[in-house]
Amino acid sequence: AQSVTQPDIHITVSEGASLELRCNYSYGATPYLFWYVQSPGQGLQLLLKYFSGDTLVQGIKGFEAEFKRSQSSFNLRKPSVHWIDAADFFCALGLRGGNKLTFGGGTRVLVKP
Amino acid sequence: DTEVTQTPKHLVMGMTNKKSLKCEQHMGHRAMYWYKQKAKKPPELMFVYSYEKLSINESVPSRFSPECPNSSLLNLHLHALQPEDSALYLCASSQSMSGGTYEQYFGPGTRLTVT
Repeated sequence: AQSVTQPDIHITVSEGASLELRCNYSYGATPYLFWYVQSPGQGLQLLLKYFSGDTLVQGIKGFEAEFKRSQSSFNLRKPSVHWIDAADFFCALGLRGGNKLTFGGGTRVLVKP
Repeated sequence: DTEVTQTPKHLVMGMTNKKSLKCEQHMGHRAMYWYKQKAKKPPELMFVYSYEKLSINESVPSRFSPECPNSSLLNLHLHALQPEDSALYLCASSQSMSGGTYEQYFGPGTRLTVT
């Protein structure tokens, strides 16, 4: 069975600093991979997705993610965070031909001034 | 437009009440989903409708009853809930799984409190 692990439960970063969130997956083939962000009291917003092709994926709000097959990873990055980026971030895996998502446990990002 | 709307935003209900949550999308998506999310946890899938037919029920108790009246609407009927059912209920939609894009678009959720 497939699984997604986000090793960091909380990350605190200073405003203006760079951010990297880790996501590791377990699946026998190449999955569909997603990053979602959830602001307090809100639904989930899709930041970016990887289906195939270029392993560096650009998303919204200045985020990017890199798919590394050899490391079974799909880490999310942002060069410079703003206070508005404080939120919960979820990595998710989908299977080709299916419509169920497997979510990681999430990483809560706190931004300090 | 990638918007999924949900009503109401907040709902407080007693254990003997009957209420419904509503979800609507106008993106032409043919798959719609209900998720339950507890605090500080990822969403848990409850139901999936594909082409207005129930395709996945993740062993959800019968006090939750989904309905898909048409391709744009999804309801979740609630009856005799328990306090542990208090959570954020999220609706999502996506293109069908046969080709096209796959990402799910989520609504803002309904915060349900069962007293």
